[in-house]
Amino acid sequence: AQSVTQLGSHVSVSEGALVLLRCNYSSSVPPYLFWYVQYPNQGLQLLLKYTSAATLVKGINGFEAEFKKSETSFHLTKPSAHMSDAAEYFCAVSATQAAQKLVFGQGTRLTINP
Amino acid sequence: DTAVSQTPKYLVTQMGNDKSIKCEQNLGHDTMYWYKQDSKKFLKIMFSYNNKELIINETVPNRFSPKSPDKAHLNLHINSLELGDSAVYFCASSQAGTRYGYTFGSGTRLTVV
Repeated sequence: AQSVTQLGSHVSVSEGALVLLRCNYSSSVPPYLFWYVQYPNQGLQLLLKYTSAATLVKGINGFEAEFKKSETSFHLTKPSAHMSDAAEYFCAVSATQAAQKLVFGQGTRLTINP
Repeated sequence: DTAVSQTPKYLVTQMGNDKSIKCEQNLGHDTMYWYKQDSKKFLKIMFSYNNKELIINETVPNRFSPKSPDKAHLNLHINSLELGDSAVYFCASSQAGTRYGYTFGSGTRLTVV
């Protein structure tokens, strides 16, 4: 079975500072990994995905994530936070075989301080 | 054109009522899902249909019944609504499993009073 743990339910950074949102996964087979963003009262939007190609994945809005198999991690980063990045972020995992569903982490709320 | 559209966006109803939420996708995807997001933002899968066939049915009370008339539509009917059913329900779709991720609808906020 697959599972995801997001470290920190709430992260607060200053505008212009580095954003780092942590995600660790558990999977018995090579995983697909995803980051989604949810703005208030909206659905989830795909930021980026890892599907066994390059380990450093670039996404929309300047975000990127690095797949580290040895650490079972897929942390999300952005060099310089913008006020518009304030949202809820979800990491998700699925197995590559019989990939029938995404399992989501509990989410991390990102707050940007001016 | 909205890729995955859900109706209604908000639903307030009394305990014991029966209600339905509709979902339609125009992406040509072969799989559709219902997820429930609770008050703590936790997302849990409820159902999944692939080409109108039910492939995932998590431990959901049988008051919840999905119906997929065709691969572009997945509706959710809920009987005898309870206070605990209050949540945001998201419809999503995908092509070829989860490899490319899901496209989500904007959600239906259900409030049972």
